[in-house]
Amino acid sequence: KQEVTQIPAALSVPEGENLVLNCSFTDSAIYNLQWFRQDPGKGLTSLLLIQSSQREQTSGRLNASLDKSSGRSTLYIAASQPGDSATYLCAVRPLSGGNTPLVFGKGTRLSVIA
Amino acid sequence: ETGVTQTPRHLVMGMTNKKSLKCEQHLGHNAMYWYKQSAKKPLELMFVYNFKEQTENNSVPSRFSPECPNSSHLFLHLHTLQPEDSALYLCASGRSTDTQYFGPGTRLTVL
Repeated sequence: KQEVTQIPAALSVPEGENLVLNCSFTDSAIYNLQWFRQDPGKGLTSLLLIQSSQREQTSGRLNASLDKSSGRSTLYIAASQPGDSATYLCAVRPLSGGNTPLVFGKGTRLSVIA
Repeated sequence: ETGVTQTPRHLVMGMTNKKSLKCEQHLGHNAMYWYKQSAKKPLELMFVYNFKEQTENNSVPSRFSPECPNSSHLFLHLHTLQPEDSALYLCASGRSTDTQYFGPGTRLTVL
């Protein structure tokens, strides 16, 4: 059974700092991996989607990497801002593909202090 | 705004009440999902519908009853819930291996 773990559970950094969020998964047979952002009491917003054949994806100040063989992904946030404060969720889609449901981690709660 | 809407946004109900949550998407997606998000737990998949057919029921108690009348609408009917069912209920839609698009959720409190 696929399990997704995110470390740390919570992180507080001063504004302007670069930071890395970690995600690990137990079964490397995945179709893709996604990073989502969730603001308190709100739904999820997709940030980056990495297909299993890809190594990384970039969007603005965000860069996500994927090492499928070792079951790891990182989300790098450059020059953090208070508006980046949110919970970041990692999710994998098992290899059976199609509309197979995503498996989520518990998330990392990020606070960026001005 | 992701194109997936959910109503109501907040709901307080007693254990003997019957209520329904509604989700709507007009993104042309063929799959719709219900998730439950409790405090300090990962998102838990509840139900999956593909082309209006239920393809997954993740051992959800029968007090939760989904309905998918067409590919744009998804309901979650609630009856005789327990306080531990209080959570954020999220609806999502998607197409094949694309990302999933989430609604804003319904914050449910069961008294």
